[in-house]
Amino acid sequence: HSALTQPASVSGSPGQSITISCTGTSSDVGGHNYVSWYQQHPGKAPKLMIYDVSNRPSGVSNRFSGSKSGNTASLTISGLQAEDEADYYCSSYTISSTVVFGGGTKLTVL
Amino acid sequence: EVQLVESGGGLVQPGGSLRLSCTASGFIFRTYWMSWVRQAPGKGLEWVANIQQDGSDKFYVDSVKGRFTISRDNAKNSLYLQMNSLRGEDTAVYYCARIYGPGSYFDSWGQGSLVTVSS
Repeated sequence: HSALTQPASVSGSPGQSITISCTGTSSDVGGHNYVSWYQQHPGKAPKLMIYDVSNRPSGVSNRFSGSKSGNTASLTISGLQAEDEADYYCSSYTISSTVVFGGGTKLTVL
Repeated sequence: EVQLVESGGGLVQPGGSLRLSCTASGFIFRTYWMSWVRQAPGKGLEWVANIQQDGSDKFYVDSVKGRFTISRDNAKNSLYLQMNSLRGEDTAVYYCARIYGPGSYFDSWGQGSLVTVSS
């Protein structure tokens, strides 16, 4: 399974909304609803932000939301805050019982 | 509080071997699938391997099949990654992660252990 495709970078001003896309195939993203998103600040371990396409773990702000259409999943962050500046990775379970990540997207809050 | 602590990283020559360990606490280790995920310097995340609760089922990324072995000791609350025939492209921070749910989500992560493969 090849890595999922994400934009290398996105940016937005405080208070705005941004969306990060994650494109796979029918063998991963499009094959089921097992898509997740992770936030990683420099030098830190990743943090689970979204699972099952659109579910938020306890403690994650409701400014973070996820969706999926066909082979493309999306992460939307509304009301951008300075602390949201980080790298974001999508991930999908595959039909081969393996896991594949996206290449990552660097979010810059202007 | 869930804690995952990796150890065993370091500098190793190409072709060499290394064994990473991950000690878990704060949850019932034997009831969870576990995983290793790595991140090369300045690069993205790459899933490496998963292991079922009792160690009977294991899955690997193609690039490490036949070279890496994931295992666990539930009596010691420990996860392992035996890495053989190491290559330069295996240089990365290796994270131990707890798997949550059928979709293989990683809901808890260790701090990572750096493995450098170089002569």
